[in-house]
Amino acid sequence: QPVLTQPPSSSASPGESARLTCTLPSDINVGFYNIYWYQQKPGSPPKYLLYYHSDSDKGQGSGVPSRFSGSKDASANTAVLLISGLQSEDEADYYCMIWPTNGWVFGGGTKLTVL
Amino acid sequence: EAQLVESGGGLVKPGGSLRLSCAASGFTFSSYSMNWFRQAPGKGLEWVSSIDTSTYYIYYADSMKGRFTISRDNAKNSLYLQMNSLRPEDTALYYCARSVELVDAFDVWGRGTMVTVSS
Repeated sequence: QPVLTQPPSSSASPGESARLTCTLPSDINVGFYNIYWYQQKPGSPPKYLLYYHSDSDKGQGSGVPSRFSGSKDASANTAVLLISGLQSEDEADYYCMIWPTNGWVFGGGTKLTVL
Repeated sequence: EAQLVESGGGLVKPGGSLRLSCAASGFTFSSYSMNWFRQAPGKGLEWVSSIDTSTYYIYYADSMKGRFTISRDNAKNSLYLQMNSLRPEDTALYYCARSVELVDAFDVWGRGTMVTVSS
């Protein structure tokens, strides 16, 4: 059972923005952790997109366009992956991950459909 | 170019064992922490185990503790996963991935090897 909660699906049109969320359980404060985001297309392994801790501590995967960005909503204990200027190639599953203690925990993934 | 290639998957009966391998090339294997993940058919990603460069730090997901053993041979540029007491719910595509530090992004992934546990 995934520890991090992601909506199973999301959709948006080309050129629009998609905001994918990853909600942490109440006993894990989103502000303390690096949140890692991965993209997976059918038949392929996951691809590292970025990590986000704060605006001053973040990193982009090699070759990942800047239209992929991360943020946090502390009030909702939620991490956010924002994809701006959606393209058809962005249609994929997206996973968030953190390392609370002694191991990685994943979200269940969000399937993003580009309409 | 950094590359990881998994092997060793196959069909095994419940209670059986398998040893997965992950061959690394194109980078200095000994400088990277290594990790195993899995993905059941049609399901999400699941972390299995991680090992640091010196094998001092080793971690397992709770459901794998006591059944799976991760190891590495830096001289052979290889990562291993010994899986014992396999259960049908272990059926999945198993991926290896590297990270610079133990708690870090997984920037290179293999294409996976399929493990099917069925009688």
